[in-house]
Amino acid sequence: KQEVTQIPAALSVPEGENLVLNCSFTDSAIYNLQWFRQDPGKGLTSLLLIQSSQREQTSGRLNASLDKSSGRSTLYIAASQPGDSATYLCAVRKETSGSRLTFGEGTQLTVNP
Amino acid sequence: NAGVTQTPKFRILKIGQSMTLQCTQDMNHNYMYWYRQDPGMGLKLIYYSVGAGITDKGEVPNGYNVSRSTTEDFPLRLELAAPSQTSVYFCASSSLPGTAYNEQFFGPGTRLTVL
Repeated sequence: KQEVTQIPAALSVPEGENLVLNCSFTDSAIYNLQWFRQDPGKGLTSLLLIQSSQREQTSGRLNASLDKSSGRSTLYIAASQPGDSATYLCAVRKETSGSRLTFGEGTQLTVNP
Repeated sequence: NAGVTQTPKFRILKIGQSMTLQCTQDMNHNYMYWYRQDPGMGLKLIYYSVGAGITDKGEVPNGYNVSRSTTEDFPLRLELAAPSQTSVYFCASSSLPGTAYNEQFFGPGTRLTVL
């Protein structure tokens, strides 16, 4: 059974700091990995999707990397801003599970002005 | 495009009552999903559908039922509400696996409380 773990559970940083969020998964037979952002009381917004054949994806100040063999992904946020405060979730899609995603429990990020 | 829409946004049920959570997508996606999210937790898959007329169980299907009569709609039914079903419910959709960018798109959620 695929398990996804996100560390840390919560993170508080001053504005302007570069930071890394971690995601690990137990079964390396994945099709892709997706990072989401969730604001309090809201739905999920897709940030980045990395296919299993890719090493990284970038969007603006966000960079996600994938090391499939070691079961790890990181989300790097450059020059953090208070508007980045949210919960960040990673989810993996197994090769044999159709399109079903297995989610981690999320990292709650607070960026202080 | 509206994307994925869900109704209602909030609902309070009494134990034993039933209700249907509605989900509609306008992206012509074949795949649709229902997840629940408990406080401080990730999302867990309840049911999913790979196309009209085809549904299958996810991780936590007990106490729920689904149907998929059209591509656009994927309602989730709670027959006998229990306090353990207090949660936030998210509907999502995606295109066919194997497409270049098979991301899932999520609705805004339905916050359900069972008292």
